[in-house]
Amino acid sequence: GEDVEQSLFLSVREGDSSVINCTYTDSSSTYLYWYKQEPGAGLQLLTYIFSNMDMKQDQRLTVLLNKKDKHLSLRIADTQTGDSAIYFCAETGYSTLTFGKGTMLLVSP
Amino acid sequence: GAVVSQHPSWVICKSGTSVKIECRSLDFQATTMFWYRQFPKQSLMLMATSNEGSKATYEQGVEKDKFLINHASLTLSTLTVTSAHPEDSSFYICSASQGAELIHEQFFGPGTRLTVL
Repeated sequence: GEDVEQSLFLSVREGDSSVINCTYTDSSSTYLYWYKQEPGAGLQLLTYIFSNMDMKQDQRLTVLLNKKDKHLSLRIADTQTGDSAIYFCAETGYSTLTFGKGTMLLVSP
Repeated sequence: GAVVSQHPSWVICKSGTSVKIECRSLDFQATTMFWYRQFPKQSLMLMATSNEGSKATYEQGVEKDKFLINHASLTLSTLTVTSAHPEDSSFYICSASQGAELIHEQFFGPGTRLTVL
């Protein structure tokens, strides 16, 4: 079946850029997503990219997609302590979402 | 933006009892609702997909008789964990969309933490 892999943990200092990486196996993925989950809360959609795009920028967020390598990344510029959370990569082919295990981002002052 | 609520936000119950969790779309009509469960430090695993007015489609390995899903209206879906056991303790999250073709507009609820003693 489809598989989505992420590194489990990332620690950065406030003001630095954060880059969270994700790889997936489903070549039929049409949309790829980044979600943010704060402690004890549900998921918040941060951004998504259509599979025929290479890059999408939305304020401090930049998503890069390498479809050949099935690699997705999320770059957060000027990372703030409020960005500390778990970030999930997800993909969908036809009808359901497949999530990675999440990357815990810890931002220290 | 679209808001999805869940009730209760947390519940503790005794083993053998049944627990009902509600998922509501507050400001849009949700043709499709999804139920996920999330174990600590794990990903979200899709349990089932429900379309309003029809039977839910369960993922492989999910017992339909144990996890009863009802999607009786365009704004409400319920998940009932029947005869709950400690291994059912988890974080249950629902999401809602206006249709499977709009899955990238899938809005998530805040989750319900179930603890079975």
